[in-house]
Formats: sequence, C-alpha cells, structure tokens
Amino acid sequence: EDQVTQSPEALRLQEGESSSLNCSYTVSGLRGLFWYRQDPGKGPEFLFTLYSAGEEKEKERLKATLTKKESFLHITAPKPEDSATYLCAVQAAHNTDKLIFGTGTRLQVFP
Amino acid sequence: NAGVMQNPRHLVRRRGQEARLRCSPMKGHSHVYWYRQLPEEGLKFMVYLQKENIIDESGMPKERFSAEFPKEGPSILRIQQVVRGDSAAYFCASSQSGVHEQYFGPGTRLTVT
Repeated sequence: EDQVTQSPEALRLQEGESSSLNCSYTVSGLRGLFWYRQDPGKGPEFLFTLYSAGEEKEKERLKATLTKKESFLHITAPKPEDSATYLCAVQAAHNTDKLIFGTGTRLQVFP
Repeated sequence: NAGVMQNPRHLVRRRGQEARLRCSPMKGHSHVYWYRQLPEEGLKFMVYLQKENIIDESGMPKERFSAEFPKEGPSILRIQQVVRGDSAAYFCASSQSGVHEQYFGPGTRLTVT
C-alpha cells in the first residue's frame, strides 16, 4: 500500500536555528513528490515538486531533496513567518489521479 | 490571476440536512480534485473530475456523497443527510493536467450539529 510518513510531528526552533523535516514514502513507482505549506485555517500552498532521486529544489530559506525512500525539507536560518504545517505528498506512477499525503510537521519558530 | 475559489468558507448544518460545497478551479485548469481533512489527520483524496466526467471516485463514501463538474459552472460536492462524522475541512484542488502539481483552495469547514 502506498504510504507517506512525516517526522517529527512537531518541531520548535529558535529563529536562525536550521533544521530538517523528513518525509519517508513507500510507493510502487514514484511519479512525483510534493511539498506544501499550510497555515492555520487555510488551504495547502504549493512549494516544490521533485521527480527523481538526487533532485534538489530551493526557494528562499527552504531546500527540498529527494532519495529513493525519503525526502528532506531543509530550513536554513528560519524566521517566525516560516511557522506553519509542512505537508509532504506523493503521486504514484500507477495512479496519478490522487496525491497521498502525510500528516505533516507543525513547525514553530520563536524570535 | 485568481486562485482556486471555494464557497462557502464555513457551513453549519444540522444532522439530516444536505451540504453543498462549491469549487471554481484556477483559470486554465480543467482537472478538479476534492480532499477531506479531519482533525489531526492528513488530507484524504475523495474524487477526481474533469468537465462532465468523474474520473476516479475511489476515495468517496459510497452513500450520501456525490460530486459533479458540469460543462458550465463550478464543481459541486454534495453530502446528503449529514452526520456528525462528516464535520471536517473539505478542500478542492485544480491542475492543468492529471500529472501536474495541484493547487488548493482555502477550503470549506463543515460543522454538523
């Protein structure tokens, strides 16, 4: 069964303290892996798509990487405005109709 | 460039009533997806539609739930005879094609009393 597991469930960082969020996946043929940011009471906001192992994408303080079993979202020198829930999702090659989401990592960055 | 629009943003229904949730995709997008998010759970796929066609409804409960995306107008997710367990946030997403990234709307928060 296709599955996505994110860790940690929650992460508290001091402003400027870099860290990484993990997304482990099991899927029979990966079509794409997606990272989203979700603020309370809002819909997920698209961040990145990764398609193959070794691929990296960057946006401001965020960098996403992909291996054959997991993806990392690295946050460099975070700011309080980076506080949000970060969601990881996979799209299987055998069924591109849907995204399979993890339960997310709740990130809090304190000044 | 307007994003995905959903309305209403909040909906309160009594048990047994019907709930209708609407979604207008981003301009240029013809693929629509509905997801449900229960408290402390991840987003769960419900249904995938293109204009006038249901492509995949494997995530939708067999009873009381239906979805449509007519030739004109928004996509509609309809829940008949709502129960307390239907209380959740319902998100709509749209994409250019079935393999492109999906962009989400702000969601409709359904509360069943």
